[in-house]
Amino acid sequence: AQSVAQPEDQVNVAEGNPLTVKCTYSVSGNPYLFWYVQYPNRGLQFLLKYITGDNLVKGSYGFEAEFNKSQTSFHLKKPSALVSDSALYFCAVRSDTGGFKTIFGAGTRLFVKA
Amino acid sequence: GAVVSQHPSRVICKSGTSVKIECRSLDFQATTMFWYRQFPKQSLMLMATSNEGSKATYEQGVEKDKFLINHASLTLSTLTVTSAHPEDSSFYICSARDFVSYEQYFGPGTRLTVT
Repeated sequence: AQSVAQPEDQVNVAEGNPLTVKCTYSVSGNPYLFWYVQYPNRGLQFLLKYITGDNLVKGSYGFEAEFNKSQTSFHLKKPSALVSDSALYFCAVRSDTGGFKTIFGAGTRLFVKA
Repeated sequence: GAVVSQHPSRVICKSGTSVKIECRSLDFQATTMFWYRQFPKQSLMLMATSNEGSKATYEQGVEKDKFLINHASLTLSTLTVTSAHPEDSSFYICSARDFVSYEQYFGPGTRLTVT
């Protein structure tokens, strides 16, 4: 079975500071990893994904994530946070042996203070 | 880019009535679509996987007689919440998988409120 853990319910950062939102996963088979952002009463917006290749993945709005196979982690990062980054962030995993179902983590709420 | 639409975006219905939510892939064909449910301040929970022309596969704990899923064409899947009750109030999000690229795209969601 596949699962995703986002250990932090909430992350608070000051504008201009770097941010990290943590994610660890468990799958059988090769992982496909994703980050999505959700604003209030809206659907999901795709940020970035890792399928294969370079462990550092760059995505939308200046976000990036690093795939670490040994630690089974895929943490989301941004060098300089903006107030407009405040939202709910979901890490998701899909396995090539799991019927290609995408399973989501519990979500982490990011607050960026001006 | 690929677009998935949902209709309606919001619906309010009375307890005991049924509500149908449509999910369409607008510029690609989707042999597989997924339905998720999201409670306030919680994550997306996969309800079921639907494959075009066959019966949906429901996740454990999801009542298939209550949440009827039909995937009659390569661009349309519907979720019908039958005999809705207030506890069915939720945000329902569909997702469609492009059968060529295997990329998965998400709809904007439907807010269901049962009074």
